[in-house]
Amino acid sequence: DGGITQSPKYLFRKEGQNVTLSCEQNLNHDAMYWYRQDPGQGLRLIYYSQIVNDFQKGDIAEGYSVSREKKESFPLTVTSAQKNPTAFYLCASSISSGGPNEQFFGPGTRLTVL
Amino acid sequence: AQSVTQLDSQVPVFEEAPVELRCNYSSSVSVYLFWYVQYPNQGLQLLLKYLSGSTLVESINGFEAEFNKSQTSFHLRKPSVHISDTAEYFCAGASKIIFGSGTRLSIRP
Repeated sequence: DGGITQSPKYLFRKEGQNVTLSCEQNLNHDAMYWYRQDPGQGLRLIYYSQIVNDFQKGDIAEGYSVSREKKESFPLTVTSAQKNPTAFYLCASSISSGGPNEQFFGPGTRLTVL
Repeated sequence: AQSVTQLDSQVPVFEEAPVELRCNYSSSVSVYLFWYVQYPNQGLQLLLKYLSGSTLVESINGFEAEFNKSQTSFHLRKPSVHISDTAEYFCAGASKIIFGSGTRLSIRP
């Protein structure tokens, strides 16, 4: 089955700790994305990558970091610099960035900072 | 500025009633338009998309959307909703990655 997976589904973190969210896809897509979802605010783009070893900041990149060392993987690190990290995080991929290409989404990771 | 606007944050309707979820896009957004659906605690799934050609596009579960260039709209409609349609719906444009803020559809029995 082709698809996009995120792990873990639920994640708890103490204040001041970095945490890494996993995102893997086996769709052979070039483009991958990270979104943050808060109630009533829709989806906000954190980072996106159009190709391996390349990524760009989205609208709310402060306090986050990413890497794209492999085509299949696009992990997101939430650093201690992110002031309000509790949210639902969604990873997505598409054949290429923009244009007529739909995005395929993972099931999400709910991060709670204690 | 590029934008996609969903005019209603919540839409409550009775089961078997018709529904319209409104979406307007700025003219600078590419005319590749999408509707996604999100069920509770899940990721988004593509519902339907407009790329070119016929301005009326349909999904397999009875939703349809009409691309209206003069009104810069891409409203989503269903003639008769079911309890299982309870979800959040997002309109999106694709020149740059832009999502609307979402509309929560709640179905009353």
